[in-house]
Amino acid sequence: GAGVSQTPSNKVTEKGKYVELRCDPISGHTALYWYRQSLGQGPEFLIYFQGTGAADDSGLPNDRFFAVRPEGSVSTLKIQRTERGDSAVYLCASSPGLAGGAQYFGPGTRLTVL
Amino acid sequence: AQSVTQPDIHITVSEGASLELRCNYSYGATPYLFWYVQSPGQGLQLLLKYFSGDTLVQGIKGFEAEFKRSQSSFNLRKPSVHWSDAAEYFCAVGAPGGGGNKLTFGTGTQLKVEL
Repeated sequence: GAGVSQTPSNKVTEKGKYVELRCDPISGHTALYWYRQSLGQGPEFLIYFQGTGAADDSGLPNDRFFAVRPEGSVSTLKIQRTERGDSAVYLCASSPGLAGGAQYFGPGTRLTVL
Repeated sequence: AQSVTQPDIHITVSEGASLELRCNYSYGATPYLFWYVQSPGQGLQLLLKYFSGDTLVQGIKGFEAEFKRSQSSFNLRKPSVHWSDAAEYFCAVGAPGGGGNKLTFGTGTQLKVEL
């Protein structure tokens, strides 16, 4: 079956602009995660959804970052007033939601803020 | 809070040689442990995972890893490396019982395979 998909694959924006990054999880997966990977680093956790609600948003760096999952499937990560330091690859993962279930990652969206 | 250390930033091995990538974790109890591989331009692919039970776990592509509680380690091994194994490898730890399986990753080990 289809894996996790993310759109766009690349996004270039200017400092101060607003961006939205989309994630389509594997069908039937109730848990959805966003991570951010900077160059030379491992992914860093941002936020986790169980169904429609954000169960853990402790990794969001500040209030410019927000994510939604209104119908419990597709999720959108929203970044306001982008800064050059937001440039990174944003990864989405999904899992069946069972305790300890492995997470399956999408290819990521590379965000570049000029 | 949990943490993961991958001491080797780069490793070079010859094709056909054996491989061991080191991973040490910090967590107050037995965590969930994972190894992922990332090829250039690709997403993270799960190689194997440890939740409980047998401390030697088998994964895809001929990889295995051994959980050693006394050493807080979860090293990844492969008996004979293929050129296609060249990639970046990440060890990750998840906290059972709460946090919904939020993963903490190491900084990765870049594997180069010499032909």
